[in-house]
Amino acid sequence: GAVVSQHPSWVICKSGTSVKIECRSLDFQATTMFWYRQFPKQSLMLMATSNEGSKATYEQGVEKDKFLINHASLTLSTLTVTSAHPEDSSFYICSASAAGTKNIQYFGAGTRLSVL
Amino acid sequence: AQSVTQPDIHITVSEGASLELRCNYSYGATPYLFWYVQSPGQGLQLLLKYFSGDTLVQGIKGFEAEFKRSQSSFNLRKPSVHWSDAAEYFCAVGGYSGNTPLVFGKGTRLSVIA
Repeated sequence: GAVVSQHPSWVICKSGTSVKIECRSLDFQATTMFWYRQFPKQSLMLMATSNEGSKATYEQGVEKDKFLINHASLTLSTLTVTSAHPEDSSFYICSASAAGTKNIQYFGAGTRLSVL
Repeated sequence: AQSVTQPDIHITVSEGASLELRCNYSYGATPYLFWYVQSPGQGLQLLLKYFSGDTLVQGIKGFEAEFKRSQSSFNLRKPSVHWSDAAEYFCAVGGYSGNTPLVFGKGTRLSVIA
């Protein structure tokens, strides 16, 4: 099956620094990637939809200047949390879908971000 | 509005017993329906999906789900639960296009006891 690799799996950073999370589709071309945030024992909250070569579409309430998304190639999307604060601590998950796959999304293993 | 309801937040079953997790959806067009499973600290794994055709779909790990349009439901079932099935289960609905985000339910946590 399709594999999505997400890196790092866990990151700890100081408040005010920036953190980059990578999401790679290893064996397929991901025309669209999605970024989610998940709070403990809750469902996934969609943050943004990213299409290769174009600007990401952010959900209402998500600060685009704080959560920078880049989808520069068909196999890589990155989420950069800029000037991170403790309230940004969360579990971030990416997913990827390929054209013509009827919206089957394959998920990365997630990144746990802890901001001190 | 598109939405998914999973009425049960937490279910506990005995190992070897049958399981049914409920999912109801609201979607304006022909829905594509999915069940995902998430182990603690992990991403989501696709269990099964429904696009069209036979309303009873088989998935991995012995799971199956039945699409009932009249009830707007897509319940997940397994005849005999194993301890390794303990996890969080999410039902999701989406449209045809691959660039359309899925709408997820709040999830059902499954505990398995001996």
